[in-house]
Amino acid sequence: SAVISQKPSRDICQRGTSLTIQCQVDSQVTMMFWYRQQPGQSLTLIATANQGSEATYESGFVIDKFPISRPNLTFSTLTVSNMSPEDSSIYLCSVAQGVGYTFGSGTRLTVV
Amino acid sequence: SQKIEQNSEALNIQEGKTATLTCNYTNYSPAYLQWYRQDPGRGPVFLLLIRENEKEKRKERLKVTFDTTLKQSLFHITASQPADSATYLCALGQGGADGLTFGKGTHLIIQP
Repeated sequence: SAVISQKPSRDICQRGTSLTIQCQVDSQVTMMFWYRQQPGQSLTLIATANQGSEATYESGFVIDKFPISRPNLTFSTLTVSNMSPEDSSIYLCSVAQGVGYTFGSGTRLTVV
Repeated sequence: SQKIEQNSEALNIQEGKTATLTCNYTNYSPAYLQWYRQDPGRGPVFLLLIRENEKEKRKERLKVTFDTTLKQSLFHITASQPADSATYLCALGQGGADGLTFGKGTHLIIQP
């Protein structure tokens, strides 16, 4: 199965700033998925990133707040923009693997 | 709206017993249901997938059942071990081009 390298693993950021999270996959994949896992909550899908086209965002998530890049079939970034304490969460990327999905280890973001 | 409920936030089981976790869903007709294991500070790890036309799947000490009439899946770990202690997530999906909808998870503790 694919191996995903996600970084940073954690960060503490000032409110009003932006953080870009990177995911590198060791094989080419068509779709990459970005999730948020807030404390005590389930993983929630933010958007689906397809190489060569605009990302598709789920209800409640917008491109201005969570811009996504997908420059090639092995790499994607998610930016959390103009952060507030409510953005404190774990962010994860994921790829489909035929049967099941593989996840990165997550980025634990704390906004102060 | 779609809703997934996992039976309890935490479940304590004696080592050697069978742990049974429940996943119920509403307002959803999934093509498949998946179970994941998540350890602290790590991304979810895929365990099992069961399709809508399947009743039961097994993998080593793991067994999953799927009742689309009851809209329920049961996840069993037989001969449980302390190393099985983790959070277990159920997730519903429609296809490889779509992301997953997750429950909040059940924190399973296997006591020696």
